[in-house]
Amino acid sequence: GAGVSQSPSNKVTEKGKDVELRCDPISGHTALYWYRQSLGQGLEFLIYFQGNSAPDKSGLPSDRFSAERTGGSVSTLTIQRTQQEDSAVYLCASSLASFEGEQYFGPGTRLTVT
Amino acid sequence: AQKVTQAQTEISVVEKEDVTLDCVYETRDTTYYLFWYKQPPSGELVFLIRRNSFDEQNEISGRYSWNFQKSTSSFNFTITASQVVDSAVYFCAQETSGSRLTFGEGTQLTVNP
Repeated sequence: GAGVSQSPSNKVTEKGKDVELRCDPISGHTALYWYRQSLGQGLEFLIYFQGNSAPDKSGLPSDRFSAERTGGSVSTLTIQRTQQEDSAVYLCASSLASFEGEQYFGPGTRLTVT
Repeated sequence: AQKVTQAQTEISVVEKEDVTLDCVYETRDTTYYLFWYKQPPSGELVFLIRRNSFDEQNEISGRYSWNFQKSTSSFNFTITASQVVDSAVYFCAQETSGSRLTFGEGTQLTVNP
């Protein structure tokens, strides 16, 4: 079956602009996660959604970052007023449910802020 | 707080050698899961294994094997008869009741022909 998909695969934006990154989880997976991979910070957790529960936003680095998940499926990560330090690969993962099953990752979106 | 340590930043071996990647974790939780992921040059994280904290049995899958020892908080990964295609960055990770994955820094494995 289809895996986790993310779009766009690459995004170049100017400092100060807003960007939206999209994630389509595996069908039937109720848990969805966003992580960020950057050279200096490794792989960091950002936010996670489980069904209709309030998301765990504790990993978001600043209030410029937000995410939503519509209809329990597709998720959008929004970064407002992008900064150069936001440059990273943003990874989305999904699993059957929170703390149940493997987390499968998408190919990521490489964000470059110039 | 959870922490995962992969002390080996880079390992270089010659094809057909066996290689072990070390992983040490820290947690106060009694229920947790441990993972290994492979990240080839293409960049996508590939799931390899998930192990429950209550299951200390070693696991073997083809040339891959994992040794889980709670006494030393370690979850080491061995590749037997390594191949060039095994070249990648390997990440160890831990999942606790908060559901997020805490990753180690990764080990870059290079297998030379």
